[in-house]
Amino acid sequence: EPEVTQTPSHQVTQMGQEVILRCVPISNHLYFYWYRQILGQKVEFLVSFYNNEISEKSEIFDDQFSVERPDGSNFTLKIRSTKLEDSAMYFCASSGQRDQPQHFGDGTRLSIL
Amino acid sequence: AQSVTQLDSQVPVFEEAPVELRCNYSSSVSVYLFWYVQYPNQGLQLLLKYLSGSTLVKGINGFEAEFNKSQTSFHLRKPSVHISDTAEYFCAVSDMNSGYALNFGKGTSLLVTP
Repeated sequence: EPEVTQTPSHQVTQMGQEVILRCVPISNHLYFYWYRQILGQKVEFLVSFYNNEISEKSEIFDDQFSVERPDGSNFTLKIRSTKLEDSAMYFCASSGQRDQPQHFGDGTRLSIL
Repeated sequence: AQSVTQLDSQVPVFEEAPVELRCNYSSSVSVYLFWYVQYPNQGLQLLLKYLSGSTLVKGINGFEAEFNKSQTSFHLRKPSVHISDTAEYFCAVSDMNSGYALNFGKGTSLLVTP
């Protein structure tokens, strides 16, 4: 069964550094998402992406964050100047249609030191 | 505004016993409802979904849920649990007003013991 893959599984970065989290969505999906889960808290929506532009974004997704689909397969989340509070598990998801179930990757655990 | 409430943060249950994990939601428009499961150190796996049609939906691993519009609930049930069902369970809702972004509940930790 096709799946969403995320790399790396764990990323450790110094505060203030830039980090890029990578995702390969399911190949025929058109809608892409990023969510995060701070330890012990609920999963929170960050951003959705369709047709090479952001569809929706939450309050969390401020100027520090950006997303890109640099080629036909990858979908990336960039955090420009990381803060301690960015430490979380980041999940990528994709869906075939906007109102169809989203399929999640296994996540990238981001640790900011 | 849309919201999701999972009333129980932890549910301990003995193996082969039935279980119900509760989820209530609020929304001003029609919603889509989902249950996801997260095993330790893994991602979110879709258990089942309600998009339209029959209010009783069946998912993987013997789980089912019933959409109750009048009570704005979508409780998850399994008649007989296994040790391997120990995991975190998340209820989620989406609607057109949110661009179909998923709004998750805080999760319920199901602990199955022998």
